[in-house]
Amino acid sequence: GAVVSQHPSRVICKSGTSVKIECRSLDFQATTMFWYRQFPKQSLMLMATSNEGSKATYEQGVEKDKFLINHASLTLSTLTVTSAHPEDSSFYICSASDSGPWGNQPQHFGDGTRLSIL
Amino acid sequence: SQKIEQNSEALNIQEGKTATLTCNYTNYSPAYLQWYRQDPGRGPVFLLLIRENEKEKRKERLKVTFDTTLKQSLFHITASQPADSATYLCALDDNAGNMLTFGGGTRLMVKP
Repeated sequence: GAVVSQHPSRVICKSGTSVKIECRSLDFQATTMFWYRQFPKQSLMLMATSNEGSKATYEQGVEKDKFLINHASLTLSTLTVTSAHPEDSSFYICSASDSGPWGNQPQHFGDGTRLSIL
Repeated sequence: SQKIEQNSEALNIQEGKTATLTCNYTNYSPAYLQWYRQDPGRGPVFLLLIRENEKEKRKERLKVTFDTTLKQSLFHITASQPADSATYLCALDDNAGNMLTFGGGTRLMVKP
């Protein structure tokens, strides 16, 4: 149980393109999902918290107009990188918990999206 | 400032030995501490959660300790196997239980 599916797994596109990444909880409902960014050999950096039916909460330094998050249902959150540039190239990972965002619950992660902007 | 420190250097051990990984933190008062495994190009996978009032937690070959005085958690893998080779991440909650912050991870290499 508690499977999170992330799609696509890899994207290579030209600078200026907008890229949408989907994160789905397959067998549980997730009122809250998290979006992370990870550079090579570094840890996961939380970008934003996605709340179903309301606006996402962004971490300091993350541009909300650049990284659009939509959490339209209890099983789907999307991250759109708008007008992507080479510096946006990274590994993006989502996670969800089946019991809210609390630290006393395991986070279930998707397998990540490798974004490469040429 | 808040810090979560894991040894950034890879830990190389021989198959069958016990691997011990360290997670130290400063300026945090976590109620919970979690350990995850991450393989290259994959998302992290949850392993164990330990609460602040628990000293030790075990799951099969895994053991986690949590010392809130030393502000340290130790993660042990006994009878290690090459398949245990991965990066291991510790994560702390923000004491309000609202979010997790991850350490940089330690890469473990188990040689046959």
